[in-house]
Amino acid sequence: GEDVEQSLFLSVREGDSSVINCTYTDSSSTYLYWYKQEPGAGLQLLTYIFSNMDMKQDQRLTVLLNKKDKHLSLRIADTQTGDSAIYFCHYNTDKLIFGTGTRLQVFP
Amino acid sequence: DTGVSQDPRHKITKRGQNVTFRCDPISEHNRLYWYRQTLGQGPEFLTYFQNEAQLEKSRLLSDRFSAERPKGSFSTLEIQRTEQGDSAMYLCASSTRQSQETQYFGPGTRLLVL
Repeated sequence: GEDVEQSLFLSVREGDSSVINCTYTDSSSTYLYWYKQEPGAGLQLLTYIFSNMDMKQDQRLTVLLNKKDKHLSLRIADTQTGDSAIYFCHYNTDKLIFGTGTRLQVFP
Repeated sequence: DTGVSQDPRHKITKRGQNVTFRCDPISEHNRLYWYRQTLGQGPEFLTYFQNEAQLEKSRLLSDRFSAERPKGSFSTLEIQRTEQGDSAMYLCASSTRQSQETQYFGPGTRLLVL
């Protein structure tokens, strides 16, 4: 069945890089997405990657896709306190699946 | 366009009452989705519409839940005879094929059933 797994927590110092990982089972999605959710708010799209790409860079964000291992990662460079939130990976095949979310905590 | 909006933002109700939530998608988006999110979990898909047609419903959507999108624009989600287990954040999103199917989310309606 479809499953998306993420580690639950990540804690980093301000200014360091953060890497949030996601593994998935269904590789038929055309796009894979990263969303950010701040407390009490809806989900905000951060970035997405086309499934035939290995890497996409968007300012401080770098997305890496390893289709062979079904592994997606999001790297945030120069992490700021405003990056503290929950991050979800997501893909949409005939099922719309979100990961369990990784809570990123940034400390000064 | 200001994005996806949802109303109300918060709802407190007593067990057994009916509640209705509204979602207004981004105007040119033909797809509209409803999700439920409980504490510590990712969004769980409930149902989605393409224009006014409801194309898919999750097993999570029991008989007490009904969703409509009568004119292919706004949508309503009704929960009848609410139960405490219905307490959750209800999220709406919309998308269009031209935006790589990216879903844009509303702020959600937080439901508390007492």
